[in-house]
Amino acid sequence: SYVLTQSPSVSVAPGKTARLTCGGNNIVHRGVTWYQQKAGQAPVVVVYFDDERPSGIPARFSGSNAGSTATLTIRRVEAGDEADYFCQVWDRRTDSYVFGSGTTVTVL
Amino acid sequence: EVRLVESGGGLVQPGGSLRLSCAASGFSFSEYWMAWVRQAPGKGLEWLANVKRDGSEDKYVDSVKGRFVISRDNGNNSVSLQMNSLRDEDTAVYYCARADSVAVEYFDFWGQGVLVAVS
Repeated sequence: SYVLTQSPSVSVAPGKTARLTCGGNNIVHRGVTWYQQKAGQAPVVVVYFDDERPSGIPARFSGSNAGSTATLTIRRVEAGDEADYFCQVWDRRTDSYVFGSGTTVTVL
Repeated sequence: EVRLVESGGGLVQPGGSLRLSCAASGFSFSEYWMAWVRQAPGKGLEWLANVKRDGSEDKYVDSVKGRFVISRDNGNNSVSLQMNSLRDEDTAVYYCARADSVAVEYFDFWGQGVLVAVS
């Protein structure tokens, strides 16, 4: 089955840039979605189709996808960005939805 | 405003059954695939099942195939998950989610979730 690999944690100072990665075999050929999940809350989409942002998501959040790695970049990090972030793709071969294990972003 | 509200969670013994429901509002329900996703305590997200717009097709992750059944009622704007032969490892928060309308490749809205504890 298709596997998505994420680093367990990232720490970043306020105002700095956080880069979260999501590794997968030829992930560039798949549309990647990023979800933000704050403590005790449901996931919220912050990026879909690799680099599209839903309405209401700040432009500080951006996505990219190349080769075997998709990246979520959070610029000018704020305390409110502290959350778990999960990447996800749809696996055409198994017709199933695959999630990465998540990255916890801690704002110092 | 899109709203998804789950209900039906609770404590159940191993081997038991439980039926979760999700009431949808704020969108044209019959035009979207719907899904259930779960999250075990302290763990990541796991897609479980989804059902086609008209209920004619459903899909499951292998770990629940044969035990869980997803269904929908477009007249009442609801989707359900019948869970049978529950195991300890089914303990999780269960989320109802709407699949995107364009490619059905991600989940654009989620409910707040309902806790199922198997013990």
